[in-house]
Amino acid sequence: AQSVTQLDSHVSVSEGTPVLLRCNYSSSYSPSLFWYVQHPNKGLQLLLKYTSAATLVKGINGFEAEFKKSETSFHLTKPSAHMSDAAEYFCVVSPASGGSYIPTFGRGTSLIVHP
Amino acid sequence: GAGVSQSPSNKVTEKGKDVELRCDPISGHTALYWYRQRLGQGLEFLIYFQGNSAPDKSGLPSDRFSAERTGESVSTLTIQRTQQEDSAVYLCASSQREGLEAFFGQGTRLTVV
Repeated sequence: AQSVTQLDSHVSVSEGTPVLLRCNYSSSYSPSLFWYVQHPNKGLQLLLKYTSAATLVKGINGFEAEFKKSETSFHLTKPSAHMSDAAEYFCVVSPASGGSYIPTFGRGTSLIVHP
Repeated sequence: GAGVSQSPSNKVTEKGKDVELRCDPISGHTALYWYRQRLGQGLEFLIYFQGNSAPDKSGLPSDRFSAERTGESVSTLTIQRTQQEDSAVYLCASSQREGLEAFFGQGTRLTVV
């Protein structure tokens, strides 16, 4: 069994300040973890992925995430928010091996960026 | 193809009618997923195809929903006797194999009136 909890439904930041979107997961198997971004009326785009290599993962647009097994977390960060980062962000877990390979999505976090 | 293609992009249908949604996955991708996204909500898993194995239908909300996929090619999602609560964006995704990242289509926005 697997599940994902995104701890904040909305995060509001000012342009130029750091971004932190929190994600905790549960998985009976060694997980693969992903962050996707969805801009308004657009499709889902992969930001970054963790697949049991380096625990600090760098993605597109300056985002990165750190896999912490002891905390079962995969939080998404960015040092400096840009207006174009305003979107919905989804944390996703899928077993790297074993179990059901169906990617399980969190409920999403809406990132609001103020000028 | 270059990406996952879904058609139609928008569909308005009358309550009680049947609709068919199409998904063209990325060539060579063995895994294919259908999700539903209601307005302002997250993604709800519907069905999963992996190669020639029997599909995982555990997410289908009722027997009005069905899906097919021939081999590793096109998939169709059919909704019979549509209801207003079926209004949503239906997203299709494919991945090269199990456990790897999924690539999503732009979705079909279904509106039942």
